[in-house]
Amino acid sequence: DIQMTQSPSAMSASVGDRVTITCRASQGISNYLAWFQQKPGKVPKRLIYAASSLQSGVPSRFSGSGSGTEFTLTISSLQPEDFATYYCLQHHIYPLTFGGGTKVEI
Amino acid sequence: EVQLVESGGGLVQPGGSLRLSCAASGFTFSTYAMNWVRQAPGKGLEWVSYISSSSSTIYYADSVKGRFTISRDNAKNSLYLQMNSLGDEDTAVYYCTRWTSIAALEYWGQGTLVTVSS
Repeated sequence: DIQMTQSPSAMSASVGDRVTITCRASQGISNYLAWFQQKPGKVPKRLIYAASSLQSGVPSRFSGSGSGTEFTLTISSLQPEDFATYYCLQHHIYPLTFGGGTKVEI
Repeated sequence: EVQLVESGGGLVQPGGSLRLSCAASGFTFSTYAMNWVRQAPGKGLEWVSYISSSSSTIYYADSVKGRFTISRDNAKNSLYLQMNSLGDEDTAVYYCTRWTSIAALEYWGQGTLVTVSS
């Protein structure tokens, strides 16, 4: 199985900060990497798929990059509504595996 | 508009069984593979099971293999998850999700809570 190591597990940030979250795959997954945002009590929302493709309707301050084993989600200027937990997902091969999550808090 | 609506969750005793359903609408259900994903209280996301559009290919997470059975009825636009021999570790919100290889898990239902407790 492919292991997804996400870092950091939690972080404190302020409105306007540039935030970077990293996911590392235990083996190459090409660009089959998605990022999700989840707020408490809510359904996960997909932000990015295929490593760098922005989901329709998602603000452009969110961006994804990477290929192979190293991937990054960047929020260029953190907004109040961005405080949430973020998960990466490798969708290259089954079993699908999620990263452990990154909680972004004030 | 794509809609996925799960049902069937509830409280069940350890060792018991439960059948989850997911009603799909707003797209041609028979042409899409589907997945179940779960999330234990306060924990991260865990993939549970996959079924191809024709039911010809099925996968399970090791944690549920031999206890859970995924199925679908394309005539009824419905996805199912039969869960047997439930344990405390199966307590979670279960989400029905639509799958494509490029778009991954684009659409999610609102989830249904399964609580295993005596």
